[in-house]
Amino acid sequence: DAGVTQSPTHLIKTRGQQVTLRCSPKSGHDTVSWYQQALGQGPQFIFQYYEEEERQRGNFPDRFSGHQFPNYSSELNVNALLLGDSALYLCASIGGQGGHTEAFFGQGTRLTVV
Amino acid sequence: DAKTTQPPSMDCAEGRAANLPCNHSTISGNEYVYWYRQIHSQGPQYIIHGLKNNETNEMASLIITEDRKSSTLILPHATLRDTAVYYCIVRVLYTGNQFYFGTGTSLTVIP
Repeated sequence: DAGVTQSPTHLIKTRGQQVTLRCSPKSGHDTVSWYQQALGQGPQFIFQYYEEEERQRGNFPDRFSGHQFPNYSSELNVNALLLGDSALYLCASIGGQGGHTEAFFGQGTRLTVV
Repeated sequence: DAKTTQPPSMDCAEGRAANLPCNHSTISGNEYVYWYRQIHSQGPQYIIHGLKNNETNEMASLIITEDRKSSTLILPHATLRDTAVYYCIVRVLYTGNQFYFGTGTSLTVIP
């Protein structure tokens, strides 16, 4: 158990709808990254949150947005869902310094857009 | 973009050592080699990481060549539960840096 909690575990949405996914990082970790994993592919970086701000962003459209709360938990929002947004969405909880930097992943949210 | 090259698939007999290779010929001096594995649609699980010395933990051993251009993850006694996709990643070691995943190696442990 990596201590990273994601909810919900599965979700079915209709094309055009909006969705919010949630992540609680491991205790003591203050940085959260979100990844999208399409079937048969490796995870692709969406963005990272630290100190309640988006610090880095991958090659994803503005329909993907996020938020980090003072307790370090985070949300991923996707607007105007497309069929191609169907994927496993992973949250990575990152903490530590120097040689002890660690990153643990949650079990993911499986999003299906129909 | 992923900076590593791994074979797409490998088989290993149960109880034998599984040796998973990774090429990272453009690795920089401050980049570490990380290994994660992902068991069927679960989140990636951390295995081990290292800079230039060989590393061992309760899960695996990591052997990095002297020129650091390649490495091998060794699972000493593979079990059926080790069947997974294994990702080799290089990254600079600070919290703001991302993990760039390739397509990994799909390891199948055969009874």
